[in-house]
Amino acid sequence: GEDVEQSLFLSVREGDSSVINCTYTDSSSTYLYWYKQEPGAGLQLLTYIFSNMDMKQDQRLTVLLNKKDKHLSLRIADTQTGDSAIYFCAALSGGYQKVTFGIGTKLQVIP
Amino acid sequence: GAGVSQSPSNKVTEKGKDVELRCDPISGHTALYWYRQSLGQGLEFLIYFQGNSAPDKSGLPSDRFSAERTGGSVSTLTIQRTQQEDSAVYLCASSLSRVEPLHFGNGTRLTVT
Repeated sequence: GEDVEQSLFLSVREGDSSVINCTYTDSSSTYLYWYKQEPGAGLQLLTYIFSNMDMKQDQRLTVLLNKKDKHLSLRIADTQTGDSAIYFCAALSGGYQKVTFGIGTKLQVIP
Repeated sequence: GAGVSQSPSNKVTEKGKDVELRCDPISGHTALYWYRQSLGQGLEFLIYFQGNSAPDKSGLPSDRFSAERTGGSVSTLTIQRTQQEDSAVYLCASSLSRVEPLHFGNGTRLTVT
């Protein structure tokens, strides 16, 4: 089945850009998602990209997809303390039609 | 509009007891997922319902776990003879279809003592 991997932790200073990386294994994955989880809450969809796109920008968020390397990244511009949370990468695998999540990257924003 | 609703938000139970966790998906969403999130772990897929199709139960960790979805709407996840390793946050999500993004509830935190 699909495997989605991401680093566990990222620390940035307020105002800097954050880049969270993710890799997946199923080359037939159709949709790739980024979710945000704040303490005690469920997952909130941030943005998603279809596999025929290379980039998607939404205000401070930029998603880059390298389909050849099966690599996805989320860039948060001008990171704020309110961006501190766990960020999950997820992939909808083409074969299994099931959404597989990574372990989540904890983003710490230092004032 | 209303989002995905899960109840209870917290459940403490004794080892060996059965528990039922409920999920009310967003109205009109045909796909419903259950995931488990343990401390320091990612989201572990448990089960997936899509319309009237047979559910994908491939993620259920043991035969103590079962789930049903009545009338294509509300779903109940049942854990029989709970064990301490069942302690986790159980998250439910729904989507308009299998290719639409998932919308999550706030989860049920289960503690087995």
